Amino acid sequence: NAGVTQTPKFQVLKTGQSMTLQCAQDMNHNSMYWYRQDPGMGLRLIYYSASEGTTDKGEVPNGYNVSRLNKREFSLRLESAAPSQTSVYFCASSENPIPYSNNQPQHFGDGTRLSIL
Amino acid sequence: GQQVMQIPQYQHVQEGEDFTTYCNSSTTLSNIQWYKQRPGGHPVFLIQLVKSGEVKKQKRLTFQFGEAKKNSSLHITATQTTDVGTYFCAGHTLNTDKLIFGTGTRLQVFP
Repeated sequence: NAGVTQTPKFQVLKTGQSMTLQCAQDMNHNSMYWYRQDPGMGLRLIYYSASEGTTDKGEVPNGYNVSRLNKREFSLRLESAAPSQTSVYFCASSENPIPYSNNQPQHFGDGTRLSIL
Repeated sequence: GQQVMQIPQYQHVQEGEDFTTYCNSSTTLSNIQWYKQRPGGHPVFLIQLVKSGEVKKQKRLTFQFGEAKKNSSLHITATQTTDVGTYFCAGHTLNTDKLIFGTGTRLQVFP
């Protein structure tokens, strides 16, 4: 079992360029999440998808878009990269039943280290 | 917005000493989860607490959820160099699947 797989692992962009971060999970989880991690700030939720076909904004959604392509895949897109988006991006998934009375642990990918010059 | 703060931000200890990190939420949580992130790695789930006042142990690690379900703590007895990493608490508020992460405590253990 691969768990949660993120690609690419590293990327350097110039300001204004666009790119898509890919995430796939093989655990048949309903919920998927995108976080960014910056020094001293923990993990901040960018977007999440509670189930296939739905997406919602998290704490810091500006400058990002997401697509829940199917149950396995959840991509994050930067349309016009800015230096402030330099960060480590983590994708996670969890098996969360609805209603949310029994929240389950989140499983994380290895992360994408993104630098924007 | 709701916040989850952790203290201390950073602590270094001599191997064999104890370590505690504290987690405080501005709102009541339905549960608290703890994660460990090794340097250069990704967060890995350690444990979940759900009940008010709950205490759970994993070998040298003791986790506690406060009576008001707004705070939590992680205590490590007799630290080892393998305990090095950043420890995050994270909680769900009622009726949501969004997990709010704490700011993390980075632990360094010197042999």
